[in-house]
Amino acid sequence: KAGVTQTPRYLIKTRGQQVTLSCSPISGHRSVSWYQQTPGQGLQFLFEYFSETQRNKGNFPGRFSGRQFSNSRSEMNVSTLELGDSALYLCASSRDSLGTDTQYFGPGTRLTVL
Amino acid sequence: GESVGLHLPTLSVQEGDNSIINCAYSNSASDYFIWYKQESGKGPQFIIDIRSNMDKRQGQRVTVLLNKTVKHLSLQIAATQPGDSAVYFCAEKKTSYDKVIFGPGTSLSVIP
Repeated sequence: KAGVTQTPRYLIKTRGQQVTLSCSPISGHRSVSWYQQTPGQGLQFLFEYFSETQRNKGNFPGRFSGRQFSNSRSEMNVSTLELGDSALYLCASSRDSLGTDTQYFGPGTRLTVL
Repeated sequence: GESVGLHLPTLSVQEGDNSIINCAYSNSASDYFIWYKQESGKGPQFIIDIRSNMDKRQGQRVTVLLNKTVKHLSLQIAATQPGDSAVYFCAEKKTSYDKVIFGPGTSLSVIP
């Protein structure tokens, strides 16, 4: 069974640009969560999608958005990039949103904002 | 964004010894706790979880202990191996449908 895949793996952007990251969950998984990981702030929850609906949202500005498609694939978008958005963005999937189902993480997308 | 902490504690253990990684969680109302392992260049990997109605749970070479009185969680790794070297995160959820809050992580280094 293929794991969670994220594309691209590495990305370099400049301030003010926007970026879209993609996540393909494990087959059969309907819940997708996104996290931002930085050395200073650690792992922080961005949002969770289940059946194309956002179920939970972290405390990030509106520049961060996401969506989920009918095949459970998910994208997140960051507009008007800032230097502080440089981070590893992780996606995790689980079978459903019962909360105690194991989350499986992808390898992440390393975003560098110059 | 919401953060639990900024410091990354480190723990060095001799190969073959037992390791104990500790975590203080933030919310006394949290119902579900998880331990993750993150190796360099990879995403976090699930190790073991525990619900608040339990105080101990065992897996393969790992045991999680939960002390709700002092809001403390620990991960015990038996016979630590070089492959156990990684950053370990505890995480909590207030309810099954709530977001996951991660701790700052502990870096475990195994000395051969």
